[in-house]
Amino acid sequence: NAGVTQTPKFQVLKTGQSMTLQCAQDMNHEYMSWYRQDPGMGLRLIHYSVGAGITDQGEVPNGYNVSRSTTEDFPLRLLSAAPSQTSVYFCASRGQGLSSPLHFGNGTRLTVT
Amino acid sequence: GQQVMQIPQYQHVQEGEDFTTYCNSSTTLSNIQWYKQRPGGHPVFLIQLVKSGEVKKQKRLTFQFGEAKKNSSLHITATQTTDVGTYFCAGLSRNSGYALNFGKGTSLLVTP
Repeated sequence: NAGVTQTPKFQVLKTGQSMTLQCAQDMNHEYMSWYRQDPGMGLRLIHYSVGAGITDQGEVPNGYNVSRSTTEDFPLRLLSAAPSQTSVYFCASRGQGLSSPLHFGNGTRLTVT
Repeated sequence: GQQVMQIPQYQHVQEGEDFTTYCNSSTTLSNIQWYKQRPGGHPVFLIQLVKSGEVKKQKRLTFQFGEAKKNSSLHITATQTTDVGTYFCAGLSRNSGYALNFGKGTSLLVTP
């Protein structure tokens, strides 16, 4: 199993550009989520999904959209990138049960100039 | 909403010294999880605590969950350079729904 796969690993955008961060998992996990990590801020939840067709907002959802059309994929869209969205983005999934551990992808380092 | 506070933010120790990081929640937690992130890496699950007063050990690491299920600690005995990284606690409560709330993490630096 590959686990949680994120692409791309690095990305540079100009202000106003749009892009999609891809996340796929092959563990048949119902729950998937996106976090951003900034220095001194820890991991902050952007959006999450408890199953195909269901998404909800986390702590910092503004500027980001998500969709969950399949169990495997949970893309994160930036419609109009801003310098404040420069960060490292992690996708994470977990199995059945609220107490299951999160499995993280390797992250995407995004720079917005 | 629920907040998970973690201290200290940074800790620099000499190899062989002990290290402790503390987590406090504003609400009662259903469980607490601990993760480790190596420099340049992604968070990796270490352990989960569920019961009030629970203590778990993994080799030199000791994890505790408070009696009121509002605080937790991770203690590393005789640190090694391989312990370098950021340690995060993450709490789950009724208030948080499906989402884990992470503390800001403690970055541990170990010098030989």
